Amino acid sequence: DIQMTQSPSSLSASAGDRVTITCRASQYISGNLNWYQKKPEKAPKVLISGASTLQNGVPSRFTGSGSGTEFTLTINGLQPEDFATYYCQQSYTIPWTFGQGTKVEIK
Amino acid sequence: QVQLVQSGAEVKKPESSVKVSCKASGGTFDTYAISWVRQAPGQGVEWMGRIILLLGLANYAQKFQGRVTITVDKSTSTAYMELTSLRSEDTATYYCATVSINNDHYYMDVWGKGTPVTVSS
Repeated sequence: DIQMTQSPSSLSASAGDRVTITCRASQYISGNLNWYQKKPEKAPKVLISGASTLQNGVPSRFTGSGSGTEFTLTINGLQPEDFATYYCQQSYTIPWTFGQGTKVEIK
Repeated sequence: QVQLVQSGAEVKKPESSVKVSCKASGGTFDTYAISWVRQAPGQGVEWMGRIILLLGLANYAQKFQGRVTITVDKSTSTAYMELTSLRSEDTATYYCATVSINNDHYYMDVWGKGTPVTVSS
């Protein structure tokens, strides 16, 4: 199975900050990388597919980049509603696998 | 846009089975596949498997092989996930999601609200 490793596991930030989350795959996955936002008691929400395609309705402050084995999710100008846990997920090969998550907390 | 309506919370005994349903509301399963994901309390999200609707072909994570079965009833636009030989570690919220394709990239876009399953003696 492809292992997905996110860093950091958690971070504290203030509203307005720029936040970057990294996701590394244990092997090549081309651009088959998705980012999800997860809030307590809510279903995951896809933010970005194919490493960099912003989903409809997702604010442009979210950007994704990367290819191969290293990917990043950047939030430019963190908003109060962005405090959540973020997961990367590879869809290059079955079984699909998620990173362990990055919890973004209020400083 | 289709919504996914999942069955209600379940409380099960160890060694028993649970079958969670996921019905398309406001449309049909006009999607490539249905995937199932779970999240145990305090843990991350975990992919369990998917079923490709056109083929009726299911793939599962190795961790659940032999214990999980994902099926779909196209006539009612309902997908099912059955997990057998339940243990306390299976206590989690189970989610279904549609799988879409964009530029050959697969992603889970429409999600059900989740079904809490508690395994306890």
